[in-house]
Order: sequence, then structure tokens, then C-alpha cells
Amino acid sequence: AQSVSQHNHHVILSEAASLELGCNYSYGGTVNLFWYVQYPGQHLQLLLKYFSGDPLVKGIKGFEAEFIKSKFSFNLRKPSVQWSDTAEYFCAVNRDSNYQLIWGAGTKLIIKP
Amino acid sequence: NAGVTQTPKFQVLKTGQSMTLQCAQDMNHNSMYWYRQDPGMGLRLIYYSASEGTTDKGEVPNGYNVSRLNKREFSLRLESAAPSQTSVYFCASSVWQKDEQYFGPGTRLTVT
Repeated sequence: AQSVSQHNHHVILSEAASLELGCNYSYGGTVNLFWYVQYPGQHLQLLLKYFSGDPLVKGIKGFEAEFIKSKFSFNLRKPSVQWSDTAEYFCAVNRDSNYQLIWGAGTKLIIKP
Repeated sequence: NAGVTQTPKFQVLKTGQSMTLQCAQDMNHNSMYWYRQDPGMGLRLIYYSASEGTTDKGEVPNGYNVSRLNKREFSLRLESAAPSQTSVYFCASSVWQKDEQYFGPGTRLTVT
């Protein structure tokens, strides 16, 4: 079945640590890739997206993600996390042939002050 | 702009009862969606409306119906609630289907 996998369900880091959250998908062909974030008590909101072009995408709040087509991956990174990055992060993928978003299970990130 | 609004925020139903979840957006978006979110499973698409006047099934449509009332409003109806429908329901909208989606605050539904 077509799927999106997020490798870590829970991640705990200290402030200033570097972050990398994994996301892999199982579709061939052209894909559009998204990372969404849900801060405690807030709506889901877009962190960054990739449609085409430069595979290194920069988003809000210092986040970036790299699309590696050969690895079917779109990992999220941040060089130095802050306590305010505590949230749940979701990877999502759709295809140009079918725009339904397929979501990963999410990663809960806790940053210790 | 309010963005995407959903009512109610919380609801408790008994098995077999019916209810309608309401969603409205004020961003002039063409596409609207209903998702459910269950622990450890991410979001799953129930139904979507690519544009006003059309609705289509998503990944988990059984037990639900939808109505795209107009461009702004997209409602989700549970005709006969079951405990398996206990979940958090999110409505979302986007300019067109390929674009980023904007989400409402969610409705936490418990079916006993």
C-alpha cells in the first residue's frame, strides 16, 4: 500500500541540539511534499513544502527539509532547537496524478529547557 | 479573516445517534476536506470536495456523508454514530487540491 513513514514517534532533545526528523514515502512518479506542525493547543499549520526546483527547502522558524528523490525521503532539519519547537510534526505527500494528501503518523517532539 | 472554523469543538454522542459537523472557510478556497486523526495514525481523509458542487470519497468514508453547501461551507454527517468513530475531526481548505491546506481547530468527538 502507498504510505508515508515517519521513523520516530517521540523525540526528546535539549535546547540547542540539532534536529532531524525522518520521512519516507512509497510512491513513484512526481510528488509534492509537505511538513506540517501542530503546536500545543493550536491548529495544524504548514512548516514548509516542496513542489519542484531546489531540493533543499527552507520553511518558517529556521526549519529546512531536503528532498532526496533516489531515497524517497524528505527529512526535516533544524540546526538548533528551542523550547518553543515542542510540537507534533507531520509529513504529508501527494502526487500530481492524485492530489489526495497521505499523512505520516506524526512525531511528537519535546524540547527540554 | 477567521480562516477555517469548525463547530462544535467537543461532542459526546451515544451509539446510534446522528450529528453534523460544520465547517466554513472565508479564504475563497475552492477545495475542502474532512479528516480524522487517531493516535499513532496521522490524519486520514474521509471525504473531500475538489470544487463547489463536487464531493469524493477519501481513504475512510464508511459511516459518513458530506455536503458542500456552497463555496464556503462543507459539512460532515454521521448518520448512526459508532464507538469506532471516536476521534478528532479536522476540516481543511486549499485554493486548489495541489496547494497547501489550511486547517480548522478540530472537533473532538466521543461516541459511547
